[in-house]
Amino acid sequence: ETGVTQTPRHLVMGMTNKKSLKCEQHLGHNAMYWYKQSAKKPLELMFVYSLEERVENNSVPSRFSPECPNSSHLFLHLHTLQPEDSALYLCASSQEARGLDEQYFGPGTRLTVT
Amino acid sequence: GDSVTQMEGPVTLSEEAFLTINCTYTATGYPSLFWYVQYPGEGLQLLLKATKADDKGSNKGFEATYRKETTSFHLEKGSVQVSDSAVYFCALSDRSSGYALNFGKGTSLLVTP
Repeated sequence: ETGVTQTPRHLVMGMTNKKSLKCEQHLGHNAMYWYKQSAKKPLELMFVYSLEERVENNSVPSRFSPECPNSSHLFLHLHTLQPEDSALYLCASSQEARGLDEQYFGPGTRLTVT
Repeated sequence: GDSVTQMEGPVTLSEEAFLTINCTYTATGYPSLFWYVQYPGEGLQLLLKATKADDKGSNKGFEATYRKETTSFHLEKGSVQVSDSAVYFCALSDRSSGYALNFGKGTSLLVTP
């Protein structure tokens, strides 16, 4: 049990669908992150939230829309995705939004866009 | 900008063999260095870290030494077990890069009985 849960674990969606990924952390952390993990590529940081405020957005296409309603929950809203968006989406949290803090990862959502 | 380069995998070893996974980095400042491990079907977990030159991080029999002169942070274990089969990621964090952890591509390790 890592303290970070993600749902769903697997998701298949068409390019015209709208879906949301959910992440919840039970660690009392102040920072949450979305990463994209594609085969043969390094993990890509997508978004960083600190105390519910977005502090980093790494040039992610607008078809990905994050939401952080409180410090324990993080969502990634998906719409009109492309097949190249198929990947493992990982959520993480840390005590503060600093690279020096250990990040705790969830198990990920395996997304397939058809 | 900052970057991490790891040896290509997959690496296949027999149980009790010696493991080395190479990691080198490029950074503008004085980064902290990390090894994360991802077991099948799970998220990444911090394995060990080092925050300054010559520091040695260690955990679960794994070790890595922060070598500033060679900009390296190679992961080693003297005797691997089947349960060590996983993907290993080297990462760095630099104050100049703000909040981000920069990860390498990962090295897959398979240990056979």
